Amino acid sequence: DAGITQSPRHKVTETGTPVTLRCHQTENHRYMYWYRQDPGHGLRLIHYSYGVKDTDKGEVSDGYSVSRSKTEDFLLTLESATSSQTSVYFCAISEGRGRRADTQYFGPGTRLTVL
Amino acid sequence: DQQVKQNSPSLSVQEGRISILNCDYTNSMFDYFLWYKKYPAEGPTFLISISSIKDKNEDGRFTVFLNKSAKHLSLHIVPSQPGDSAVYFCAASARSNFGNEKLTFGTGTRLTIIP
Repeated sequence: DAGITQSPRHKVTETGTPVTLRCHQTENHRYMYWYRQDPGHGLRLIHYSYGVKDTDKGEVSDGYSVSRSKTEDFLLTLESATSSQTSVYFCAISEGRGRRADTQYFGPGTRLTVL
Repeated sequence: DQQVKQNSPSLSVQEGRISILNCDYTNSMFDYFLWYKKYPAEGPTFLISISSIKDKNEDGRFTVFLNKSAKHLSLHIVPSQPGDSAVYFCAASARSNFGNEKLTFGTGTRLTIIP
């Protein structure tokens, strides 16, 4: 299994508070991704990173920001959490050799509840 | 606009029989397809993939078929086992001039294997 950890694994917070989720990898993979999973929507990409300090938006990026200051860490921040951001968040990594889509490997997930 | 569609939210199959999970896509630029399996409270795990230059890929009990003209792929599991009970996600990626790759996921099909 790919070495991917997410912290925290569970979090309950209140509307309006900032929240940061962390993804840590030990595989030295170039690409890192943040997804959210919601019933009826599958997995939707929030943001991704193609290198240190290189990030881009996914399809549901509003209300989220990311940072990647080291290869191994990718942080997802909810600046002011809302109830609509209650979800399960997954981090994924991909080696990204050449120009081809590489298989993505997922972390165990973080269940976030915004009250 | 759902570019990858899994029209069956759930499927029940008798143990030992064949399970067939279906996936349709609309983006003709998709050229690489993957299936992921997800157990509750865990991250998705990669199962099998296929490139658009092939129409079939087999790995043990799992076979993926790709029909490019119909923009349809299917995952066959033979024989089905109780441990196959999970949610299955279809995913696709498109050729990208940039080089990094993103996956577009379907909404998932919950497979239940009946003992």
